[in-house]
Amino acid sequence: GAGVSQSPRYKVAKRGQDVALRCDPISGHVSLFWYQQALGQGPEFLTYFQNEAQLDKSGLPSDRFFAERPEGSVSTLKIQRTQQEDSAVYLCASSPRTGGGPDTQYFGPGTRLTVL
Amino acid sequence: AQSVAQPEDQVNVAEGNPLTVKCTYSVSGNPYLFWYVQYPNRGLQFLLKYITGDNLVKGSYGFEAEFNKSQTSFHLKKPSALVSDSALYFCAVRHLTNSGYALNFGKGTSLLVTP
Repeated sequence: GAGVSQSPRYKVAKRGQDVALRCDPISGHVSLFWYQQALGQGPEFLTYFQNEAQLDKSGLPSDRFFAERPEGSVSTLKIQRTQQEDSAVYLCASSPRTGGGPDTQYFGPGTRLTVL
Repeated sequence: AQSVAQPEDQVNVAEGNPLTVKCTYSVSGNPYLFWYVQYPNRGLQFLLKYITGDNLVKGSYGFEAEFNKSQTSFHLKKPSALVSDSALYFCAVRHLTNSGYALNFGKGTSLLVTP
């Protein structure tokens, strides 16, 4: 079946521009996660949705980062006034059920953001 | 806080030899532990997970991992390495966040299998 998809795969932005990154989770998956992976590092948690509700955004590095999932399926991560330190791969993951269980998270291919 | 550590940045092994990629954990309570693999320009692919039960967990592509509570380790193993196993491997532990849960990842170990 179809996995998690993300678009665009690559994004180059000039410093100060706004960007929007899209995630299409596996159909029917309740939980959706965003992670940021800096070069040479492991992914770091940004935010978590259960259906359309954003239950946790404790990992968002600044108020320039905003995520939404208005209909409980597709999610968008928006970064306003991008800075060079925002350059990273942004990974989206989904899992079938709600939080609390040992569900496997299935990851998309990521969006590589480069801020010049 | 729940965390994992991967003490090796890189592991080199010859094709056909057994491989081990190390992971140690620090958690309160019972851990949920995961291994993922990342190929260049691709997302993370799930290999296996430990929830409870048997300490030896079998996963995809012939990989397995052994949960050792006394040593707080969850090392990834494969009896006979393939060149195609060369990739970046991440150990992760589930942790509870403010209102849900997420994964805490190690920094990754690069595995190079030479012919």
